[in-house]
Amino acid sequence: GIQVEQSPPDLILQEGANSTLRCNFSDSVNNLQWFHQNPWGQLINLFYIPSGTKQNGRLSATTVATERYSLLYISSSQTTDSGVYFCAAQLEAAGNKLTFGGGTRVLVKP
Amino acid sequence: DAGITQSPRHKVTETGTPVTLRCHQTENHRYMYWYRQDPGHGLRLIHYSYGVKDTDKGEVSDGYSVSRSKTEDFLLTLESATSSQTSVYFCAITRGLGYTFGSGTRLTVV
Repeated sequence: GIQVEQSPPDLILQEGANSTLRCNFSDSVNNLQWFHQNPWGQLINLFYIPSGTKQNGRLSATTVATERYSLLYISSSQTTDSGVYFCAAQLEAAGNKLTFGGGTRVLVKP
Repeated sequence: DAGITQSPRHKVTETGTPVTLRCHQTENHRYMYWYRQDPGHGLRLIHYSYGVKDTDKGEVSDGYSVSRSKTEDFLLTLESATSSQTSVYFCAITRGLGYTFGSGTRLTVV
C-alpha cells in the first residue's frame, strides 16, 4: 500500500512566524488531502490538492505529484493554528481510501 | 459537521463485552469509513463501505465487524472488546473526493 511520511513531527512557532510542513508519498496517487486536527480533536479538511497550488487565507498548499510530495505553508501563524496537521493520500482505484501520514504537531506560542 | 454524527461520544466498557458504535449521515453519500486514531500511528482504516451491504476491510480490521443495512447508517462492532481497542474512532464520508469526519468516539476498554 501507499506509504505517507510527514516532517517535521513537531514544530514550535512564535506567533507571526511562517512555516512549511512536508508530506512525502510512495506511489502515484489520485489525490492528496491536508487536514487540521484542533485541540478538541475535530478533523477539518483544509485542502483537496492532487496537484498544483491552492490558497485559503494564510494557508496554502502545493502538490508536485510527479515528485511525490506536498507542502503546506502557514504564514503569519496564530495561536489558533495550533494542533496536528495530517496529510493523506488517496487512490480512486482503492475505494477512495485515505492513507494518513503520522502528522505534524504544531504549537504556536503567543 | 451537521451531515455526519457519531454515537456515543464517549464509552467505557469492560474487556470481553461487545460494543457497537454508530455513524449516521444525512446526505446520501455512497462511501463511508471507520478509522481509529492512536498516539504514534495517526489514523488507520478499519473498514469501509461503498454501498448498502457492500463493505470491505481496511488495514486494521481484526477484531472488528461492520454493517450497513441502509445508506445513512454504518455500524462498527467490537465483538469482544480488548484493551488494545482503546482508541478514538472516527467515521468519515466523502463529498466528491473530499472527506468529512465525524466528531469521534472515545472508547476505553478496562
